[in-house]
Amino acid sequence: GAGVSQTPSNKVTEKGKYVELRCDPISGHTALYWYRQSLGQGPEFLIYFQGTGAADDSGLPNDRFFAVRPEGSVSTLKIQRTERGYSAVYLCASRPGQPQHFGDGTRLSIL
Amino acid sequence: ELKVEQNPLFLSMQEGKNYTIYCNYSTTSDRLYWYRQDPGKSLESLFVLLSNGAVKQEGRLMASLDTKARLSTLHITAAVHDLSATYFCAADMDSNYQLIWGAGTKLIIKP
Repeated sequence: GAGVSQTPSNKVTEKGKYVELRCDPISGHTALYWYRQSLGQGPEFLIYFQGTGAADDSGLPNDRFFAVRPEGSVSTLKIQRTERGYSAVYLCASRPGQPQHFGDGTRLSIL
Repeated sequence: ELKVEQNPLFLSMQEGKNYTIYCNYSTTSDRLYWYRQDPGKSLESLFVLLSNGAVKQEGRLMASLDTKARLSTLHITAAVHDLSATYFCAADMDSNYQLIWGAGTKLIIKP
């Protein structure tokens, strides 16, 4: 069956621009997570959705980062006024129980 | 502070040898996960360990959990080249199941 799908796979943009990253979870998975992985490091938690609502957004680094999941399925991570330090692979995961199933990620490069 | 610490961070070994990767965690949830990541790829779930004394095996990999010591191990038996990858352990932060990750162990197995 289909796994977690993330688009685009790669995104290159300039400092200060706005970007949107999309995650399409496995069908029926109500829990959805966003993580950020910098080169050579483990992933870092950003935000967790249960259904349509953000149950925990404590990992978002600042108010330039925002995520939505309006219909409880697809989620979009939005980043405003991007900085070079935001360059990383952004991973999405979903689960029914355990474990979390990960997408291939979006590699975001801020020039 | 919630932490997950892996060691070693880098391991180069010959085929046929045995080795162990260690994961210490300080979260209170005692649920521990092992994932594998190949270069440029996403995270593949290997093991889910949910209780003290849990031991799981898949092929040449075996994972165990000691909740009293807050320690999990991933043991590799008679390593083969195909096991070369980065291995991550992760622990739940809390009941929302968002994960705190170790830094990863980059494993290189030489033929």
